[in-house]
Amino acid sequence: DSGVTQTPKHLITATGQRVTLRCSPRSGDLSVYWYQQSLDQGLQFLIHYYNGEERAKGNILERFSAQQFPDLHSELNLSSLELGDSALYFCASSARETQYFGPGTRLLVL
Amino acid sequence: DAKTTQPNSMESNEEEPVHLPCNHSTISGTDYIHWYRQLPSQGPEYVIHGLTSNVNNRMASLAIAEDRKSSTLILHRATLRDAAVYYCILANFNKFYFGSGTKLNVKP
Repeated sequence: DSGVTQTPKHLITATGQRVTLRCSPRSGDLSVYWYQQSLDQGLQFLIHYYNGEERAKGNILERFSAQQFPDLHSELNLSSLELGDSALYFCASSARETQYFGPGTRLLVL
Repeated sequence: DAKTTQPNSMESNEEEPVHLPCNHSTISGTDYIHWYRQLPSQGPEYVIHGLTSNVNNRMASLAIAEDRKSSTLILHRATLRDAAVYYCILANFNKFYFGSGTKLNVKP
C-alpha cells in the first residue's frame, strides 16, 4: 500500500460526458502528479501540482484540467470525453525524488 | 523530451541474477535515472534511482555508465514476485518520462 488513494476505482461513462477523478496524496506529501496509461500510448505524464500550484505540464489535452486543493488532495477533470480517453489514470505523490503511485482509476468511455 | 530504450521482454530463472538494460543517449546533465516496476493491475512501484554513481538498496542495484548514456538495473536473486514490467525513466525537474518498459518473466 503506497498510501496514495484514488477514487473511484472504476468509472463507466458515455462520449461527450464529463468526469472527475480524485486523488489523496500520502500524508505530508505536497506534490501530486497525474498520469494516463493506455494500451497504445503507455504511461504518459499529464500534470504536476505542488502545494496547490501547477508546476509542470506534460501531454495533457485541453479538455482535461486539474487542481490541487488546500488540503492537498487533487482532482483531474476530464470533459467532452471521447472513446480514446478510455485508460487507467494514476496519480502519484512525492516529498522528494521518489513518486508513490495510487492504485489508479479505470475509465471506460462507451 | 528525453527518451529511454529498453528491450520489450526478458526472461530469467528463479534465484538467478537479472540484468535489465536501458539506453538513454540523450540524457542531460540534470536528468536523474529512475527505475520503477509495475505488477499487473497495480500502479508503478519505486525500485531505485541515481544520478551519476552506482546505487544499491534492499531491492536492487543500479549501475550507471560513466558517460551516463546507459544504465542497468540488477536484481540479485529473481523471485516469482519480481515478474513485472520494469520502466527506466529519465526525471528532470520532477517530470517523469516513462519508456515502453521491459516485461520480466521469471521461471520457477
